[in-house]
Amino acid sequence: GAVVSQHPSWVICKSGTSVKIECRSLDFQATTMFWYRQFPKQSLMLMATSNEGSKATYEQGVEKDKFLINHASLTLSTLTVTSAHPEDSSFYICSARPAGVEEKLFFGSGTQLSVL
Amino acid sequence: AQTVTQSQPEMSVQEAETVTLSCTYDTSESDYYLFWYKQPPSRQMILVIRQEAYKQQNATENRFSVNFQKAAKSFSLKISDSQLGDAAMYFCAYSPLGSGATNKLIFGTGTLLAVQP
Repeated sequence: GAVVSQHPSWVICKSGTSVKIECRSLDFQATTMFWYRQFPKQSLMLMATSNEGSKATYEQGVEKDKFLINHASLTLSTLTVTSAHPEDSSFYICSARPAGVEEKLFFGSGTQLSVL
Repeated sequence: AQTVTQSQPEMSVQEAETVTLSCTYDTSESDYYLFWYKQPPSRQMILVIRQEAYKQQNATENRFSVNFQKAAKSFSLKISDSQLGDAAMYFCAYSPLGSGATNKLIFGTGTLLAVQP
């Protein structure tokens, strides 16, 4: 099956620093990638949708200047949490949809971010 | 706006028994996809089963089957012969048809399933 690699799996950083999370589709091209955030024992909340070569579409309430998303190629999307604060600590999950296959979505293994 | 509701925060089942997880959704679309995802303690999202709304036949995958009631906007998951490895958080999800930014997956709040030996 299709594989989505998300890196790093966990990261600890100091307040005020920036953290970049990568999401790669290893064996397929992904025209669309999604970024989710999950708090403990809660559901996945969609943050933004990124399409290759264009600006990301952010969900209401998500600060685009704080959560920078780049989808520079058909196999890579990155989420950068800028000037991180303790309230940004969360589990971040990416997912990728193969080009031309609208009903399938593959998930990365997630990144646990802890901001001290 | 589309919404997905799971009214059972937690469920418990005896090993080898059958359990049904409930899900309702709201949409004005006529064609869409519905999913059940499993999230074990590793937190990796695993697709359990998928249903296309235009198909009247309920989807099945081995021990997992759904009861899709389109008019009632209900999409329940039945797990037969429950196994210890089925213990996980289960999320119901909805996705409209089409591609791009509009084709996003909307999740319910989840049901935590415990399997008792």
